[in-house]
Amino acid sequence: DADVTQTPRNRITKTGKRIMLECSQTKGHDRMYWYRQDPGLGLRLIYYSFDVKDINKGEISDGYSVSRQAQAKFSLSLESAIPNQTALYFCATSEAGTGGTDTQYFGPGTRLTVL
Amino acid sequence: SQQGEEDPQALSIQEGENATMNCSYKTSINNLQWYRQNSGRGLVHLILIRSNEREKHSGRLRVTLDTSKKSSSLLITASRAADTASYFCAKGGRGSTLGRLYFGRGTQLTVWP
Repeated sequence: DADVTQTPRNRITKTGKRIMLECSQTKGHDRMYWYRQDPGLGLRLIYYSFDVKDINKGEISDGYSVSRQAQAKFSLSLESAIPNQTALYFCATSEAGTGGTDTQYFGPGTRLTVL
Repeated sequence: SQQGEEDPQALSIQEGENATMNCSYKTSINNLQWYRQNSGRGLVHLILIRSNEREKHSGRLRVTLDTSKKSSSLLITASRAADTASYFCAKGGRGSTLGRLYFGRGTQLTVWP
């Protein structure tokens, strides 16, 4: 079984709809991250969480919100989706206290299309 | 921006040749990591080099780091068609940004049989 899972894997929605992307992990890691990937722009950090009670904004948090329901679950919401949020979204995890290595483990991604 | 930037954006070689990708960055780092992404899939960690290291090897991968020039290179020796993917460098933050990674835009490597 995959260590980091994302649901759904693909989603097509309409402008103005509320969307939730979910991420679950079985790695036992404290840290979780949400990124979006656009062609030619690499990965940009949306939100990150270093433990259940910690939520931090990344580079491009506007239009997004997150919820850390448990150590293993981190959800990303688009309250009112707009077309320029069409992208590939990735969840990632890392282990705290690894001597500063911060290696991240990625889920398979969610391809979101906003019409 | 704290992103690393890869060079070249695209690289096309024949099987058996070596592939070299470069990464530059602007601010000080805790470590620098390289990740691989097969088309549309999740990134996979390849190798990490700490700021006090200069060279590291893992199988056919060799990474160098020059902190004075704020640059790193990834060498894949004896490339195979299966190495075709996008390769990203990621700068590990330090201080207030410890625990974060800053990704570059990637190099698309194509290895022809």
